Amino acid sequence: GAGVSQSPSNKVTEKGKDVELRCDPISGHTALYWYRQSLGQGLEFLIYFQGNSAPDKSGLPSDRFSAERTGGSVSTLTIQRTQQEDSAVYLCASSFGRDDGYTFGSGTRLTIV
Amino acid sequence: QKEVEQDPGPLSVPEGAIVSLNCTYSNSAFQYFMWYRQYSRKGPELLMYTYSSGNKEDGRFTAQVDKSSKYISLFIRDSQPSDSATYLCAMINQGGKLIFGQGTELSVKP
Repeated sequence: GAGVSQSPSNKVTEKGKDVELRCDPISGHTALYWYRQSLGQGLEFLIYFQGNSAPDKSGLPSDRFSAERTGGSVSTLTIQRTQQEDSAVYLCASSFGRDDGYTFGSGTRLTIV
Repeated sequence: QKEVEQDPGPLSVPEGAIVSLNCTYSNSAFQYFMWYRQYSRKGPELLMYTYSSGNKEDGRFTAQVDKSSKYISLFIRDSQPSDSATYLCAMINQGGKLIFGQGTELSVKP
């Protein structure tokens, strides 16, 4: 596609439920990133995939968070047993490589009630 | 101490003003510097990208990097109401991660 696509655009879920967020990067981009943006806050790094290398998971806030990238393309961010503090906008970005500009999707606005 | 510091504002200026947005950073290993613009309920959009000290100009926008002072700036000339957005500085660390500043909210009044 022409840009980074994220789905769903909005998600409201009950506390304790699991959620899956999807990211379709730009075709040919080998690097994929997940960030979280809370109200009034900057972007918080979560995880980084680069080609076939082991992902950099150093930003994941707890073991309830996990992400995978299948076939070097689509990525899924999973949050288990959601908590209210997980409410945020989850942004995905992709690039050709680590030193290139990132293209962001419009994000998934997650609300835990 | 955060790796990247940015004044969150908000900043309000009249149309036509020159806007100066700034960030400081602590890691001298940062090599690639970016500015993103984020409109409400949208993802960040890459505005400027530079990897060396000095100035880079693109239309009304000028990005300035001073590695010796660990300081970067974005200047917007002849600001327009359509420039109203949050501006985020960002830089890539040795591990390949893009580290963002907190973002500065800019409002340009007609």
